[in-house]
Amino acid sequence: DTAVSQTPKYLVTQMGNDKSIKCEQNLGHDTMYWYKQDSKKFLKIMFSYNNKELIINETVPNRFSPKSPDKAHLNLHINSLELGDSAVYFCASSVSGKTEAFFGQGTRLTVV
Amino acid sequence: GENVEQHPSTLSVQEGDSAVIKCTYSDSASNYFPWYKQELGKRPQLIIDIRSNVGEKKDQRIAVTLNKTAKHFSLHITETQPEDSAVYFCAASGRTNAGKSTFGDGTTLTVKP
Repeated sequence: DTAVSQTPKYLVTQMGNDKSIKCEQNLGHDTMYWYKQDSKKFLKIMFSYNNKELIINETVPNRFSPKSPDKAHLNLHINSLELGDSAVYFCASSVSGKTEAFFGQGTRLTVV
Repeated sequence: GENVEQHPSTLSVQEGDSAVIKCTYSDSASNYFPWYKQELGKRPQLIIDIRSNVGEKKDQRIAVTLNKTAKHFSLHITETQPEDSAVYFCAASGRTNAGKSTFGDGTTLTVKP
């Protein structure tokens, strides 16, 4: 069974468009995250939600807006996409940061 | 906030040799230190972790050591195999950073047959 699943796996879109990435976890974890991995493979946290509440919001443009309808879901909406947004976005979950993070398979976003 | 530094950024070894990757962290309240392996095109996955009440942990060919005083921890891989080739990330998390794991910048390990 898939533990953390995110869709879509690939996303190619034009500059200026708005797109969403969805994430769901069936592990019963209380904390979910979005990470951005750039071309240099650096993994940088963007947002963290604990029990549907935003607890971490790193320096991310406000074109990025996360939404957590419940503990098992954390979606990422991106407005006015820019070339520099091209990256792999990983969703992850854990138990309050005290255990390992389980990652989704990643969404490769390409902005053209 | 927490800052994690990881060295080296790239590491190339011959099959059968050992590989060591080192990380330092800044927040003395961090108490959980996982290591992730990311194969090409795949997601990061945990390979071993250590908590601050333990100095060393071993799992077959992989071991992790933690020096709380110096705030550094290391990953040791013995008898490396070509399938060990991947990017390895260290991370640190704890009570004061609200559940966030701060990742190092990664080490690309290449094991030459």
